[in-house]
Amino acid sequence: DVKVTQSSRYLVKRTGEKVFLECVQDMDHENMFWYRQDPGLGLRLIYFSYDVKMKEKGDIPEGYSVSREKKERFSLILESASTNQTSMYLCASSWYTGTSGGENEQFFGPGTRLTVL
Amino acid sequence: AQRVTQPEKLLSVFKGAPVELKCNYSYSGSPELFWYVQYSRQRLQLLLRHISRESIKGFTADLNKGETSFHLKKPFAQEEDSAMYYCALRGYNQGGKLIFGQGTELSVKP
Repeated sequence: DVKVTQSSRYLVKRTGEKVFLECVQDMDHENMFWYRQDPGLGLRLIYFSYDVKMKEKGDIPEGYSVSREKKERFSLILESASTNQTSMYLCASSWYTGTSGGENEQFFGPGTRLTVL
Repeated sequence: AQRVTQPEKLLSVFKGAPVELKCNYSYSGSPELFWYVQYSRQRLQLLLRHISRESIKGFTADLNKGETSFHLKKPFAQEEDSAMYYCALRGYNQGGKLIFGQGTELSVKP
């Protein structure tokens, strides 16, 4: 079974704090993703990574950065948290099957519900 | 621009009734379409993909390129089908990147 774990289920932070969300997968997947999930907006891609030390911006990267120092770990960083970053954050991973994507399924973590006060 | 639209935020049906969750997409080439599902207190997971032409838990979805739609259907809804459903698209040369719709909450009443 593919396992994608996220460091916290619930997190409460104050405006201006630096926040780290950690994601670990145990299936040797090349691809890793960070989404935020908001009611009525669905899932929106923040950043993704195809390989170690590689990152690409998604649709809403502003206010976020990422780090991928090891293949199994993908971190999302909020440099200075703001109230509009209160959301559910989902991490996902998948195999890399070339630029066509193949049929690779994305496997999701349980999510981290972040509240910024 | 690539886009996935799910026009219904909430769909409420009675047990045994047919259900159709709508998904329309905007993409100039030949996309791959998926349905993901999130049951209460569970993680998001793949339900089905158009390329497999399979039926999962009684659900089917047909890609209609003419209407740019990928509606999810089930002839007889069950209470355990209650969940949030997301339609997703992957374009050619997009690697593993998916574009998700806004999601539709399905509520099946007894």
